[in-house]
Amino acid sequence: GDSVTQMEGPVTLSEEAFLTINCTYTATGYPSLFWYVQYPGEGLQLLLKATKADDKGSNKGFEATYRKETTSFHLEKGSVQVSDSAVYFCALSLDFGNEKLTFGTGTRLTIIP
Amino acid sequence: DAGVTQSPTHLIKTRGQQVTLRCSPKSGHDTVSWYQQALGQGPQFIFQYYEEEERQRGNFPDRFSGHQFPNYSSELNVNALLLGDSALYLCASSDRTDTQYFGPGTRLTVL
Repeated sequence: GDSVTQMEGPVTLSEEAFLTINCTYTATGYPSLFWYVQYPGEGLQLLLKATKADDKGSNKGFEATYRKETTSFHLEKGSVQVSDSAVYFCALSLDFGNEKLTFGTGTRLTIIP
Repeated sequence: DAGVTQSPTHLIKTRGQQVTLRCSPKSGHDTVSWYQQALGQGPQFIFQYYEEEERQRGNFPDRFSGHQFPNYSSELNVNALLLGDSALYLCASSDRTDTQYFGPGTRLTVL
């Protein structure tokens, strides 16, 4: 079945450091890929998405590129802030996000001032 | 433009009881999905409703059932609660051209 494997956490970085959170997937078709973020005590917020190979999703300084050859969708940010502290989930869907989302286990990110 | 809303925010039940959770979708959305998020885990898909019918279902027992109303709002019902049903229950709405947007969730504790 479809699955998402995420980099194990937690991840702790200093402010202004470079961030990478790895995500790889297994899917029977051609999925759309997503990164969601969950702040403490809240639901999930869509951070960015990509719907086909080589697409780059970007938002709030975060970027991720859909790599079909390596079945990956790694999340990157050049300079993290304390406000980026949250749990990040990689997910896939087989219908542009309208069908069920399959999530990874999440990566907790803590940014230290 | 109101986003996805869920009620109640928190709920405490005892084993064997039944619970109903509610969700109102984002304006313009006609599809509602439910997810269970156990502590420290990613959300797991329960089922999805479209045009008042269950369109997709995840790997959850029949104790989990749902309903969608003509105004697209939805309910999740869980019967014969188990301790393992304690989790954050998330509702997400979407339409054919948009991705899923999540509500804040209902925290269910089963004692």
